[in-house]
Amino acid sequence: DQQVKQNSPSLSVQEGRISILNCDYTNSMFDYFLWYKKYPAEGPTFLISISSIKDKNEDGRFTVFLNKSAKHLSLHIVPSQPGDSAVYFCAAGYRDDKIIFGKGTRLHILP
Amino acid sequence: DAGITQSPRHKVTETGTPVTLRCHQTENHRYMYWYRQDPGHGLRLIHYSYGVKDTDKGEVSDGYSVSRSKTEDFLLTLESATSSQTSVYFCAMGPLREQYFGPGTRLTVT
Repeated sequence: DQQVKQNSPSLSVQEGRISILNCDYTNSMFDYFLWYKKYPAEGPTFLISISSIKDKNEDGRFTVFLNKSAKHLSLHIVPSQPGDSAVYFCAAGYRDDKIIFGKGTRLHILP
Repeated sequence: DAGITQSPRHKVTETGTPVTLRCHQTENHRYMYWYRQDPGHGLRLIHYSYGVKDTDKGEVSDGYSVSRSKTEDFLLTLESATSSQTSVYFCAMGPLREQYFGPGTRLTVT
């Protein structure tokens, strides 16, 4: 059973606009959430995280929002740039237990 | 760079042969991990290590073994490769909340 779900396999966004990537989870015990970015033929790189005690975390153009009641988080990228074209993985963890990754969403930034 | 490398980067092997993938880090991190990435499955944890000679299973450990005799090296072994183990394998290091991943090894089992 998938505990972390990214229901959109792909997303296309015009350059300069906002990209919103969504992630849902089922385990209410998760106490932190992560986003990783992955380019082809490279390993994933850590992007941003959020603790379950917060509802928002911002780092430059990247903001993650957490809605615990809905068990939903989203990653906002504003403004979207060509270099943002990549696969984005949502992940969740509880204390020192292993983290669970979603299947990923491929983001295409259109010129 | 995060100081983590994987070798080989690409490998083609035949069903039934043993295969060992190597992960090497220069950051002296205690924690290291092996994941596999498959279409439609994202990243799934195979095994992890929390120190020399201390390893544990992840969610897809069947058919894989690991060894960690030195802090810097974490080896993943497929004792008898099967076609279902065709995948891209990633090694990672660091704390759970911010792992640094290697560049990956693409393994094809024919």
